[in-house]
Amino acid sequence: KNEVEQSPQNLTAQEGEFITINCSYSVGISALHWLQQHPGGGIVSLFMLSSGKKKHGRLIATINIQEKHSSLHITASHPRDSAVYICAVPSGGADGLTFGKGTHLIIQP
Amino acid sequence: EAGVTQSPTHLIKTRGQQATLRCSPISGHTSVYWYQQALGLGLQFLLWYDEGEERNRGNFPPRFSGRQFPNYSSELNVNALELEDSALYLCASSIRPLSPLHFGNGTRLTVT
Repeated sequence: KNEVEQSPQNLTAQEGEFITINCSYSVGISALHWLQQHPGGGIVSLFMLSSGKKKHGRLIATINIQEKHSSLHITASHPRDSAVYICAVPSGGADGLTFGKGTHLIIQP
Repeated sequence: EAGVTQSPTHLIKTRGQQATLRCSPISGHTSVYWYQQALGLGLQFLLWYDEGEERNRGNFPPRFSGRQFPNYSSELNVNALELEDSALYLCASSIRPLSPLHFGNGTRLTVT
């Protein structure tokens, strides 16, 4: 079973700061998901990546397959980025996902 | 394009009753996944359906079951409800396995 560790668990930053959220997993994977969960529970899938780097607007996700590590970066952070960010990886052959506990991000104006 | 829709938004049941939750995937998506998010436990994988068949289930008791219909919509049934089943149940769909997931807004089940 894949173990997923996210850090930090909580992060409060000022508007405009560069944000980094980290995710480490224990078993080699085919792809990793970054998800964003807003208050009320709704979830948006931000990225699915299997190598290198992906960028969407102010969000950048990177993955290092050899080190079993991924990072999610937010540039020029804004209060609307406040949410829980969750990393998820396949559960060892099951095609279900194992989720990290999430990083609760608060961006203050 | 309509997103993944789930119904109902909220559901209140008492212990021992049965709950039925529904999910409509994005048009053209054949894979539907169910997840449970209980307070303090994070998201847990429940069930995966693809092309009408149950492909995999997570570590949940048999009273959690479901099905996928010919139009790819899906139902999650929870029998003999227990207080610990109170959670947000999220449905996601993908165009095929191992493709990006699209989530619904969830059904919040409260068991009293």
